[in-house]
Amino acid sequence: NAGVTQTPKFQVLKTGQSMTLQCAQDMNHNSMYWYRQDPGMGLRLIYYSASEGTTDKGEVPNGYNVSRLNKREFSLRLESAAPSQTSVYFCASSSNSPQETQYFGPGTRLLVL
Amino acid sequence: GIQVEQSPPDLILQEGANSTLRCNFSDSVNNLQWFHQNPWGQLINLFYIPSGTKQNGRLSATTVATERYSLLYISSSQTTDSGVYFCAVESGGYSTLTFGKGTMLLVSP
Repeated sequence: NAGVTQTPKFQVLKTGQSMTLQCAQDMNHNSMYWYRQDPGMGLRLIYYSASEGTTDKGEVPNGYNVSRLNKREFSLRLESAAPSQTSVYFCASSSNSPQETQYFGPGTRLLVL
Repeated sequence: GIQVEQSPPDLILQEGANSTLRCNFSDSVNNLQWFHQNPWGQLINLFYIPSGTKQNGRLSATTVATERYSLLYISSSQTTDSGVYFCAVESGGYSTLTFGKGTMLLVSP
């Protein structure tokens, strides 16, 4: 099992460019999440998907869109990148069972110039 | 929404020392988890502990739900314990986690 995988690992964008961050999990989990981590801020939830075909906003959704392509894949899109979106992005997944933890991918480091 | 506060924000220890990290939360919780983020950025779950006490090797955790806090104990610390420790909670009808800002731990040889 690869667990949760994310691509790319690193990306540099210019202001106004668009890109999609990819996430896939092979644990047959129902729920998937996108977080951003900024220095001194902990992790903040951007969007989540409780099941295939559903998505919901988290704490900081502005400037992002998501797609739950199928049960395995959950992508995050920046339509017009801004310097404020410079961050480390983590994808996570979990089953809907009680006492189930979230499993995190390795992260994508994004720099917007 | 629920507030999660962790203390101390930073901690420096000599190898072999013990430490206690604290997490306070502002409302009742369905779920509380402790995570460790290693210096390479990988996040690993340590405990699922909405109440009670659990132990895993040199690490243990206690959550007193009625008083809205959780403690993570690290005994005989090792340099590999360095990193950031996060507390995360789920409350109300939401199935999402709210993270604290973390405690950064540095264990020196």
